[in-house]
Amino acid sequence: GPKVLQIPSHQIIDMGQMVTLNCDPVSNHLYFYWYKQILGQQMEFLVNFYNGKVMEKSKLFKDQFSVERPDGSYFTLKIQPTALEDSAVYFCASSLGDRANERLFFGHGTKLSVL
Amino acid sequence: QQQVRQSPQSLTVWEGETAILNCSYEDSTFNYFPWYQQFPGEGPALLISIRSVSDKKEDGRFTIFFNKREKKLSLHITDSQPGDSATYFCAASAETGGYKVVFGSGTRLLVSP
Repeated sequence: GPKVLQIPSHQIIDMGQMVTLNCDPVSNHLYFYWYKQILGQQMEFLVNFYNGKVMEKSKLFKDQFSVERPDGSYFTLKIQPTALEDSAVYFCASSLGDRANERLFFGHGTKLSVL
Repeated sequence: QQQVRQSPQSLTVWEGETAILNCSYEDSTFNYFPWYQQFPGEGPALLISIRSVSDKKEDGRFTIFFNKREKKLSLHITDSQPGDSATYFCAASAETGGYKVVFGSGTRLLVSP
């Protein structure tokens, strides 16, 4: 089936550094999302993105966070600077449309460890 | 405030038994409820979903029961198999401008052979 690829699978960085998480969404999908998961628990919505713009973001999407998808390449989540509490698994997802019953396709996640 | 709540946090059943996973929600504008299944090291994958106009949705061994008045739903897994061992997320969304799926905290299911 359709696959969302996330690169890298694990990233270890020092607190205060910048990190970029990369996502290659399903090829014909138009809507992109980032979710944050800590300790295999609740999936927390961060942001959704369409047509080059952030459509909606949660309180977890701090000012240090930014997203972009330049020229149809990777959909990226950048954190600058990172903090200890940013350690989590970050899941990228994509969907074809934005209706409420759209199916989200998730990647395998990037585990971010901030030391 | 947690908009989607799940119970129990973890559940162990024997192979062949029926596992019952519960979910409740706060926001009455939610009208679509997907259940996602997540195996360790992977992202969640859509398992089954229901719209608020229905009170039951069945797909093989998986059935969702939905009670709109009480804002509750449950996922029943009949004839549970060890391969069903995973974390199950109840989620919800609404067609009210923008689009986001709100996830519950998950139920970790273990099916013992």
